[in-house]
Amino acid sequence: EAGVTQFPSHSVIEKGQTVTLRCDPISGHDNLYWYRRVMGKEIKFLLHFVKESKQDESGMPNNRFLAERTGGTYSTLKVQPAELEDSGVYFCASSHLTSGGADTQYFGPGTRLTVL
Amino acid sequence: AQKVTQAQTEISVVEKEDVTLDCVYETRDTTYYLFWYKQPPSGELVFLIRRNSFDEQNEISGRYSWNFQKSTSSFNFTITASQVVDSAVYFCALNTYNTDKLIFGTGTRLQVFP
Repeated sequence: EAGVTQFPSHSVIEKGQTVTLRCDPISGHDNLYWYRRVMGKEIKFLLHFVKESKQDESGMPNNRFLAERTGGTYSTLKVQPAELEDSGVYFCASSHLTSGGADTQYFGPGTRLTVL
Repeated sequence: AQKVTQAQTEISVVEKEDVTLDCVYETRDTTYYLFWYKQPPSGELVFLIRRNSFDEQNEISGRYSWNFQKSTSSFNFTITASQVVDSAVYFCALNTYNTDKLIFGTGTRLQVFP
């Protein structure tokens, strides 16, 4: 079974540019999550999709970040325009949909974003 | 509020030493789940273990063992006879019945020297 995949693995852009990150969850996983780790700090939740619907987007830092999951399969996270403080590693995770309780989230390799 | 504290920022050991990584959590929920993930130098987060709040049995998997103590809100991770391949950043995480998002600690970087 293929794991969570993310593209690109690295992205270097200049302040003000736009970047789109992609995540392909494990097949059959209805839950999809985005997290971010800024250098040296903890990994922080950004948002959670259940299928194509946003279940919780309380962690999205501001309206420069837009996440989509059309069709309930892969997801994209767009940053527009990028700022220096957006630099970090963006992780995607997926899990089965369960009724109550928390199923294990499996993570992708992350996308390292550097904004110059 | 939920919180996970990993007080050890970095630990260095020599191969074959035992090492314990500490994790202390805070939550008011009675049903919650605790996790450990490993992040090797390659960068991906690898799932190691998941425990729920009703199961305080310690767990052993090969050289890895976990000690869950609700009385002290701790979920510590011990590696026995450490190996160079254990070098990684280890994250402890928490989520609860009422929220799916994981709350992570800041991670502990473990370096195992030959």
